[in-house]
Amino acid sequence: AQSVTQLGSHVSVSEGALVLLRCNYSSSVPPYLFWYVQYPNQGLQLLLKYTTGATLVKGINGFEAEFKKSETSFHLTKPSAHMSDAAEYFCAVSQGGRRALTFGSGTRLQVQP
Amino acid sequence: GAVVSQHPSRVICKSGTSVKIECRSLDFQATTMFWYRQFPKKSLMLMATSNEGSKATYEQGVEKDKFLINHASLTLSTLTVTSAHPEDSSFYICSVEKDEKLFFGSGTQLSVL
Repeated sequence: AQSVTQLGSHVSVSEGALVLLRCNYSSSVPPYLFWYVQYPNQGLQLLLKYTTGATLVKGINGFEAEFKKSETSFHLTKPSAHMSDAAEYFCAVSQGGRRALTFGSGTRLQVQP
Repeated sequence: GAVVSQHPSRVICKSGTSVKIECRSLDFQATTMFWYRQFPKKSLMLMATSNEGSKATYEQGVEKDKFLINHASLTLSTLTVTSAHPEDSSFYICSVEKDEKLFFGSGTQLSVL
């Protein structure tokens, strides 16, 4: 079985500040890990994913995430928040070849001017 | 990427009626589509995997007779919520897989009165 925990349903940062969205997972096999973003009235868009190899993964819009096996974490970061980053962010995990994903409950990011 | 269109975006219906939600892959022939459900302030939960030309695979706890899935062509999968009740009110979202990535529709908000 696999599960995803996102700490903090709401995160608020100032424009230009560091963004840190936390994600911890559990998986009985080496996981594939994903971060998705959902803007209002839109579908989910893939930000980045980790499958194998380098544990620091860079995605779109300046986001990156680091897979830490010892901590079972895959936190999402961005050095400097922009107003356009305000959205809902979902962490997700899949087990190897299983294509369906298990999602976390999401974190709503607010960016204050 | 892949363009996924989901319709309708929002539907309100009376208790006891059936509602059909369409998921179209506009630029890609998808042999497999996934249907997810999202409760308020909760994560997306996989309901079923829709397979073109064959029966859908339902996740544990999902009623097959309640949530009818038809994947009659490579570009269209439908989810029919039969005899809807207020507890079926939720956000339903579909996705297709292309090149080991999932692409999502914009979702359907179902409200059952």
